[in-house]
Amino acid sequence: DVKVTQSSRYLVKRTGEKVFLECVQDMDHENMFWYRQDPGLGLRLIYFSYDVKMKEKGDIPEGYSVSREKKERFSLILESASTNQTSMYLCASSFPSLAETDYEQYFGPGTRLTVT
Amino acid sequence: GENVEQHPSTLSVQEGDSAVIKCTYSDSASNYFPWYKQELGKGPQLIIDIRSNVGEKKDQRIAVTLNKTAKHFSLHITETQPEDSAVYFCAPAGYKLSFGAGTTVTVRA
Repeated sequence: DVKVTQSSRYLVKRTGEKVFLECVQDMDHENMFWYRQDPGLGLRLIYFSYDVKMKEKGDIPEGYSVSREKKERFSLILESASTNQTSMYLCASSFPSLAETDYEQYFGPGTRLTVT
Repeated sequence: GENVEQHPSTLSVQEGDSAVIKCTYSDSASNYFPWYKQELGKGPQLIIDIRSNVGEKKDQRIAVTLNKTAKHFSLHITETQPEDSAVYFCAPAGYKLSFGAGTTVTVRA
């Protein structure tokens, strides 16, 4: 079974702190993704990565950065946390998305981040 | 980007009844149409998907139907059971997945 793990289930941070969210997958997937999930808004893509050291902005990248130094690990960084970044953060991974290829994404359990 | 609308936002059904959730999208280039289920405390998990060359796909009690002309696809759950209670997301894909806002399904015993 594919396993995607996230470093914390719950995290509480103060405004202005630098926050690191870590994600690890064990299926040798090329693609990795970071989403945030808010009630009534579904999942919104923050950043994704197609390969080591590669990254692409998603729909809401402002206030976030990412790092992918190893294939299995994808980190989301909040440079200076703000209260409007309080949310559920979900990491996902998948095989490469080519035409007629499986797009299925495998999700971690999520990190609920509260910024006070 | 893709504009995705999912209806209804909440759905309460009696155990044994059917549930239908509809997803409309705007990108005519979308060619992959999955549904994800998210149980409490877990990440979303793919339950069924369909590609643009197929109109309907069934897997036991769940089915997905696609109308590409009208740009919508639907999730059908028959003989609902308590374990079907969850949040369901559609995620039509062209270049990448775009998720709907979700439908909270509650199955009443």
